[in-house]
Amino acid sequence: GENVEQHPSTLSVQEGDSAVIKCTYSDSASNYFPWYKQELGKRPQLIIDIRSNVGEKKDQRIAVTLNKTAKHFSLHITETQPEDSAVYFCAALYYVTGNQFYFGTGTSLTVIP
Amino acid sequence: DAGITQSPRHKVTETGTPVTLRCHQTENHRYMYWYRQDPGHGLRLIHYSYGVKDTDKGEVSDGYSVSRSKTEDFLLTLESATSSQTSVYFCAISGRGNNEQFFGPGTRLTVL
Repeated sequence: GENVEQHPSTLSVQEGDSAVIKCTYSDSASNYFPWYKQELGKRPQLIIDIRSNVGEKKDQRIAVTLNKTAKHFSLHITETQPEDSAVYFCAALYYVTGNQFYFGTGTSLTVIP
Repeated sequence: DAGITQSPRHKVTETGTPVTLRCHQTENHRYMYWYRQDPGHGLRLIHYSYGVKDTDKGEVSDGYSVSRSKTEDFLLTLESATSSQTSVYFCAISGRGNNEQFFGPGTRLTVL
């Protein structure tokens, strides 16, 4: 199966600075990579995703990059705000008998006002 | 929130008792998933379904079984609950052709 590793596990930044979270995956057959934000006590929410035929995708202050050769992808948040504080999860979609999602272990982001 | 609900939202039970969690969707998505979330482990796939009566195991399936007799319902059963199954359980749906996955509100299960 697939194995997804995520770093760092915790990240603190000053408000207005950028934050970068990195993930690696093991199987080159994985072709879809979503990122989720989870606030305390809430469900994970999809914030951005990227497919294997695309190298970069942006949505306002967030962006995701994918390097298929190195099998890693990253989440970039610019101009961070206190409401960006949450746990972020990366995932990779791997097809077996059906679509299976494998998740990283999460990054707890704290934005300091 | 993507028309997906879970019941119950909270449950406390004793070791050795059977427990069934229900996931219900109104979106007609093909795929339904059960995950457990534990500190330091992220979200781990228990079982998933790719159609009515079509299910498969995930990475942490031991001690769990599932059933899907209708498109909208996916049941997770703990035949004999153990303390190691204390966790937050999330259901998710996917399958509108774009692979986007949406999560239910979660069920907090405590096994004493």
